[in-house]
Order: sequence, then structure tokens, then C-alpha cells
Amino acid sequence: EIVLTQSPGTLSLSPGERATLSCRASQSVSSSYLAWYQQKPGQAPRPLIYGASSRATGIPDRFSGSGSGTDFTLTISRLEPEDFAVYYCQHYGRAPEITFGPGTKVDIK
Amino acid sequence: QVQLVQSGAEVKKPGASVNISCKTSGYTFNIYYMHWVRQAPGQGLEWMGMINPSGGSPTYAQMFQGRVTMTRDTSTNTVYMELSSLRSEDTAVYYCARPLNTLYSTASRDGMDVWGQGTTVIVSS
Repeated sequence: EIVLTQSPGTLSLSPGERATLSCRASQSVSSSYLAWYQQKPGQAPRPLIYGASSRATGIPDRFSGSGSGTDFTLTISRLEPEDFAVYYCQHYGRAPEITFGPGTKVDIK
Repeated sequence: QVQLVQSGAEVKKPGASVNISCKTSGYTFNIYYMHWVRQAPGQGLEWMGMINPSGGSPTYAQMFQGRVTMTRDTSTNTVYMELSSLRSEDTAVYYCARPLNTLYSTASRDGMDVWGQGTTVIVSS
């Protein structure tokens, strides 16, 4: 089973700052299978990035994804007030190889 | 537009079963898998399994094998998830989620594109 580790657990930043979130896989994975989601309290997750770097429909270009192999990154170039949330990476492999990371909370400093 | 509407909150006693529905609309039902994901209070997301609405064959995460059953009704475009032998640790919000691509797609990237609103299940004596 592929295990995803996310760091940091919590990221405290101010609006306008740059956020860099890390997702590390326990073994090399295809970048095609790496997705990112945003979740706000009381809401369902919202897809942000598919295939490590392709933004989902309607996602602003301040969100970008990169990486390959075991190391992947979600970057938010300039934090807007609505970006403070929890972010999950996901390995969307061939079932049953579908796992989520534990999440990174981005909160207001 | 594409919508997934889940059934309402449930309160169950330990040992009971819960059956959650996910009614779909706005797309061709039988060409997209459907996933189930749960989230315990204050915790992360946990994949439970998926069903092929065309053939009906499900794939379950190992930790739920023997306790979970996923089915579908093509006459109402609805998928169901039943979890049995409930324990307190099953207290969670349960989501259905449809992938970005159809089950026939050869696209190189995919993920969970459309989510239901979630169903809260509380297991308590």
C-alpha cells in the first residue's frame, strides 16, 4: 500500500504570502495519479489539481502543483482569505490503490 | 449540472447496519465509477471502495472487506453503501464521489471530481 505523508501539519501564514505544501509517497508513483483537494469546515473536499500539475475546472492560477516520483508540491502563490483550509494529497491509482495523505492545515497567522 | 445528493443523517447503535444512498443526476450514470470516502470527526479522508455502475462489481478497501457492501440501482441512478457491525469508530461523515473521467477513458490523470454533500453517521449506545 502506498502511504502518503504531508508536511507541515499546519502552516501559519498571512494573506498575500506564498504557501508551499509537501506530499511524499512511500514509493515512487506515477504523477498521473497524484491529486490535491481543498476542504473547508463543514464542506466536502474540492478538487484542485489532477495529474500532479493540472488544475481542475474553475481553480484559479494562483494554485499550482509540481513534482514526480515520491515528492510532490502544492503551491499557492499569494494566499487569499478564502484559501485558508485543509489540503489533502491523494494517490488515485488503480483500485484498491487509492489513498489520501493526512492533510496540511493552512491557517491565518 | 452534475449532482450527487445523499441521504440524511443517521444515528445507530453498535452492532447495527447503516445504508446510505447517493442519488445522481446530470450525467450518464453507468459510465462513471462511484467512490465512497469517509471522514471521522477531526480526522482525514479515508477511501472505502468503489463500484462500477455498469456491471455492478465493487472494489473495497481491505480494512472494510466483509463489512461494506456497495450496490447500485440503474432505474433510479442511485448508488448505495451499507456498512454493517457498526462500532463507535465508524462515527464519521460519509461521502460519495464521482471521478473526473469515465470508466472507458484512457486519460492520463484522474481524481474525484464531484462530491456528495456528505452523510453524518453517529454510532452510539
